Amino acid sequence: NAGVTQTPKFQVLKTGQSMTLQCAQDMNHEYMSWYRQDPGMGLRLIHYSVGAGITDQGEVPNGYNVSRSTTEDFPLRLLSAAPSQTSVYFCASSPQGGEAFFGQGTRLTVV
Amino acid sequence: AQSVTQLDSQVPVFEEAPVELRCNYSSSVSVYLFWYVQYPNQGLQLLLKYLSGSTLVKSINGFEAEFNKSQTSFHLRKPSVHISDTAEYFCAVTELTRLGGYNKLIFGAGTRLAVHP
Repeated sequence: NAGVTQTPKFQVLKTGQSMTLQCAQDMNHEYMSWYRQDPGMGLRLIHYSVGAGITDQGEVPNGYNVSRSTTEDFPLRLLSAAPSQTSVYFCASSPQGGEAFFGQGTRLTVV
Repeated sequence: AQSVTQLDSQVPVFEEAPVELRCNYSSSVSVYLFWYVQYPNQGLQLLLKYLSGSTLVKSINGFEAEFNKSQTSFHLRKPSVHISDTAEYFCAVTELTRLGGYNKLIFGAGTRLAVHP
C-alpha cells in the first residue's frame, strides 16, 4: 500500500527560485491538505482541497499556490522561495470526517 | 476558530513510569479529536481517535485518551512507558471548512516525550 507519497524528500533552493512539491495518494480520498512543520509550532495548514478543482486557503497560504486537477494529485508550488519557507512540508489525505494519512515529508531549505 | 493547547512542550520520564500528555481545545461544538505520533525523521501516524460513543479510547500499544467535553480536554495517558515510546505527540481537533462538509485538522504545538532508562 503506497498511501500518500511525497517527492522530493529533501530540497535546497536559492532565494527567489521556484519549485513544486509533489503529493499523490492512492486511497481515493477527496480531502487533501498541505501542512508545514516548524519547531515549537506544530503543523500549520497551508492549503487544502475537498475534490478535483476545489481548493481553499489555510492558516499560512502566502507564497504558496495549489491546484487539484485529479483526485490523486495535489502539488504545492513555491512561487519565489524565501528563507522563511525553510521548513518540513507534509501532505495528507483523508476521507470525509475521518483520520488524516500523512506522507513522509519534504525537508526544504532555502538559502 | 478552533485552537489546541498542549500544555507541556517536553515531558521527560523514566522507563516503566506512567505518563500523561495534556491537550485542551477551545471550542465546545461537536468535534473529532486525534492524537498523532511522530518518530524522528518520519511522518505522522495516527495513535488514537475520538469520533463518537465511549469517551475513553485506546490504542493497540497501551495508550489511552479520554474525551472530556465539559473541560474541553483530550489528555493522553499510558500507565507504563517504554524506551520505544520516545517521540513527539500531537493533539489535533477538527474544524469545519468554509467549503462545507469536510473537516480540517487543527494541531497543537506538540509534546516531546523522552523516555529514559
